[in-house]
Amino acid sequence: VQLVESGGGLVQPGGSLRLSCAASGFTFSDYWMSWVRQTPGKGLEWVANIKEDGSEKFYVDSMKGRFTISRDNAKNLLYLHMHSLRADDTALYYCAREGAGPALDYWGQGTLVTVSS
Amino acid sequence: QSVLTQPPSASGTPGQRVTISCSGRTSNIGSNTVNWFQHLPGTAPTLLIYPDNQWRSGVPDRFSGSKSGTSASLAISGLQSEDEGDYYCAAWDDSLNGWVFGGGTKLTVL
Repeated sequence: VQLVESGGGLVQPGGSLRLSCAASGFTFSDYWMSWVRQTPGKGLEWVANIKEDGSEKFYVDSMKGRFTISRDNAKNLLYLHMHSLRADDTALYYCAREGAGPALDYWGQGTLVTVSS
Repeated sequence: QSVLTQPPSASGTPGQRVTISCSGRTSNIGSNTVNWFQHLPGTAPTLLIYPDNQWRSGVPDRFSGSKSGTSASLAISGLQSEDEGDYYCAAWDDSLNGWVFGGGTKLTVL
């Protein structure tokens, strides 16, 4: 199982960014997927998840309306579209697979998003 | 303010047994499995224990978990220097419809 995030970088406050997570080594379309972030000096915070076929999505309240999770099962890709970014969105963003349990059983190495002027 | 409550720090000497607690609510720990993660500097978080107290293939059996009601704990026996890092608990919350995490416990091997 391998998860590789990309798309992070420096963005100005109010800007937008799209993160991607390339999945391999398992049948991507059989699993819920999540995004989790770690802000500087703080702990892990779950952002959103999406059902196997994309028909259900859940978000943490503080990011509803600004972040959108999506997936392309044909390309084995998970996305996080982020809008109206704020300084406190600066974080390392991880994608994670949700296995049986449920359990966040595999994680990528993360992609760093920095929101600053 | 994390939904699940963990002590911010824990410590022990090599060979000792250390436990880390995680307290939650009926809607999360009380209803769903508890995940325990090890997060070492510069690496991705690694799932140690699931569901609740079944350890994962490849994870040393020095790590064990337990749950009672709305609380859970992670025990590490035979502490080693490479165990030093951050440890998090997490569970799905049926009321919030999302995953909730503890604030993390920084483990120091003295």
